[in-house]
Amino acid sequence: NAGVTQTPKFQVLKTGQSMTLQCAQDMNHEYMSWYRQDPGMGLRLIHYSVGAGITDQGEVPNGYNVSRSTTEDFPLRLLSAAPSQTSVYFCASRTRLSGNTIYFGEGSWLTVV
Amino acid sequence: SQKIEQNSEALNIQEGKTATLTCNYTNYSPAYLQWYRQDPGRGPVFLLLIRENEKEKRKERLKVTFDTTLKQSLFHITASQPADSATYLCALDPRGNSNSGYALNFGKGTSLLVTP
Repeated sequence: NAGVTQTPKFQVLKTGQSMTLQCAQDMNHEYMSWYRQDPGMGLRLIHYSVGAGITDQGEVPNGYNVSRSTTEDFPLRLLSAAPSQTSVYFCASRTRLSGNTIYFGEGSWLTVV
Repeated sequence: SQKIEQNSEALNIQEGKTATLTCNYTNYSPAYLQWYRQDPGRGPVFLLLIRENEKEKRKERLKVTFDTTLKQSLFHITASQPADSATYLCALDPRGNSNSGYALNFGKGTSLLVTP
């Protein structure tokens, strides 16, 4: 199993550009989520999904869209990138069968200039 | 509002000593609490989960305590090694439900440095 795979690892965007961070998991987990991590702020939840076709907002959803067309994939879209979205993004998944443990991807470093 | 507080200052200890990290929370009624380890440039990795009806949990050199009256968890690493140097995160389910399933709230983490 590859676990949770995120791409790209690093990305530089210009203000106003759009892009999609990809996330895939091969563990058949029903729950997936996106966090961002900023210095001094810790991990903050952006969006989450409890199953294919179902998504909801977390703590800091503005400027981001998500969709969950399959169990495996949970892409995060930045609609019009802003410097405030410069951050490290982590995708995560979990299943009730794993005892509430969250499995994280390796992160995507995004810089908006 | 719900808050999770961890020591913001880095903890520096000598190899072989016991490291103790603290997690305090307010406005939560957690069914369980989790600890994660994060190395620089990597995603967090799960270490231990302790449930509200458990006072203590151990895994090899790791020990976690959970006091729901004090609203506090302590995370201990005994016989610490330089390889234990990392940031340690405490996490709680904001809904206080073991089956809410969607995500956890994380503390900001405490950086641990173990020197030889």
